[in-house]
Amino acid sequence: QSVLAQPPSVSGAPGQRVTISCTGSSSNIGAGYDVHWYQQLPGTAPKLLIYGNNNRPPGVPERFSGSKSGTSASLAITGLQAEDEADYYCQSYDSSLSVLYVFGAGTKVTVL
Amino acid sequence: EVQLVQSGAEVKKPGESLRISCKGSGYSFASYWITWVRQMPGKGLEWMGRIDPSDSYTNYSPSFQGHVTISVDKSISTAYVQWSSLKASDTAMYYCARLSFDYGVSGTNWWFDPWGQGTLVTVSS
Repeated sequence: QSVLAQPPSVSGAPGQRVTISCTGSSSNIGAGYDVHWYQQLPGTAPKLLIYGNNNRPPGVPERFSGSKSGTSASLAITGLQAEDEADYYCQSYDSSLSVLYVFGAGTKVTVL
Repeated sequence: EVQLVQSGAEVKKPGESLRISCKGSGYSFASYWITWVRQMPGKGLEWMGRIDPSDSYTNYSPSFQGHVTISVDKSISTAYVQWSSLKASDTAMYYCARLSFDYGVSGTNWWFDPWGQGTLVTVSS
């Protein structure tokens, strides 16, 4: 069972907006540590999508955005496109465990 | 371009040893921790451990402590993870990543960027 909770799947039609939640606890997200998001396209390595809660690395489209509040964070994809079909993982730092870096179990985004 | 390039796929038998590698380029290798992540077939990402290339200091996840050894040769900008006795349950894709960081209100924030392309390890009799 992952330390960070994510929904197993979300889906949307092209052009729609979808959101993925990531819920942690007082030792990770709630302690003030940033949340980062990764995109894993089928058969490829994960790629950094959002860092520091809401920052996009160069080359990441503006339709991807992140937010954080309390013990939770969210990733939003606006104007969903077929190439966005992938697995998405949230990640944070945890101060209470020997497992320093914790991930969510991943959310599969399906474009209908 | 900052890049991590991993060694190729491996097929091993239970009980055999193995070392896979991750070579960094395009940045000062000794200035950033390297971390390893396991992804079992059809599953999510699991943090294994990290190493500081400047002094080889390591931290391991309890799930991997004692079963793998992470090391580094900073003279050739390469990190390794090795097994002395593989099990079938070690079958997985293994990724290395560079740990980037900044300083926040609560402490240091760490994220994984970039990632290597992955090394598939298959353990089967």
